[in-house]
Amino acid sequence: AQKITQTQPGMFVQEKEAVTLDCTYDTSDPSYGLFWYKQPSSGEMIFLIYQGSYDQQNATEGRYSLNFQKARKSANLVISASQLGDSAMYFCAMLSGSGNTPLVFGKGTRLSVIA
Amino acid sequence: NAGVTQTPKFQVLKTGQSMTLQCAQDMNHEYMSWYRQDPGMGLRLIHYSVGAGITDQGEVPNGYNVSRSTTEDFPLRLLSAAPSQTSVYFCASSYYRGPHNEQFFGPGTRLTVL
Repeated sequence: AQKITQTQPGMFVQEKEAVTLDCTYDTSDPSYGLFWYKQPSSGEMIFLIYQGSYDQQNATEGRYSLNFQKARKSANLVISASQLGDSAMYFCAMLSGSGNTPLVFGKGTRLSVIA
Repeated sequence: NAGVTQTPKFQVLKTGQSMTLQCAQDMNHEYMSWYRQDPGMGLRLIHYSVGAGITDQGEVPNGYNVSRSTTEDFPLRLLSAAPSQTSVYFCASSYYRGPHNEQFFGPGTRLTVL
């Protein structure tokens, strides 16, 4: 079975500092994709970054990067130079490549950026 | 493109009432799904569809029905609303099931059952 674990219910970070949000996953399928979504207080789900299981390099999108450690089954999100607007819930999610395995979400981490 | 649209944005029901949450997408996506979001639980899959005429159950399907008569629409029906169904409901779509496809989310419907 596919599972995503986010062990940090809440995190605080000082403005302009970097922060790492943890995500570990479990799947027996060799083909899978890992996603991070941001959910601000307004409620919408915003796609941030994607990492494929066969990708050789860690994904980056602007201030977001994904620290992908396949052997440890971890896909941590790194946000550099935090901004007040980064305060939100962050969800890690996984799609597996075989069978009826839709997107599986972790429980999320609430990030608060402090001025 | 409007993307994924959901109606209504807010709804209050009494216990036992029925209603349909609407979801539509204009991106010709085969795959559509419904999630509910409860505090501390993340998003949990209710039902999903891999194409018109094909639906399947997710993690929490009880009390909900779906149908997919067209590629564009994927309504979620609450048969007899219960307070436990108070939640925020998200509809999502993507081109096809597979590990390399971003899912696009609708804005959500906030449902309260009294």
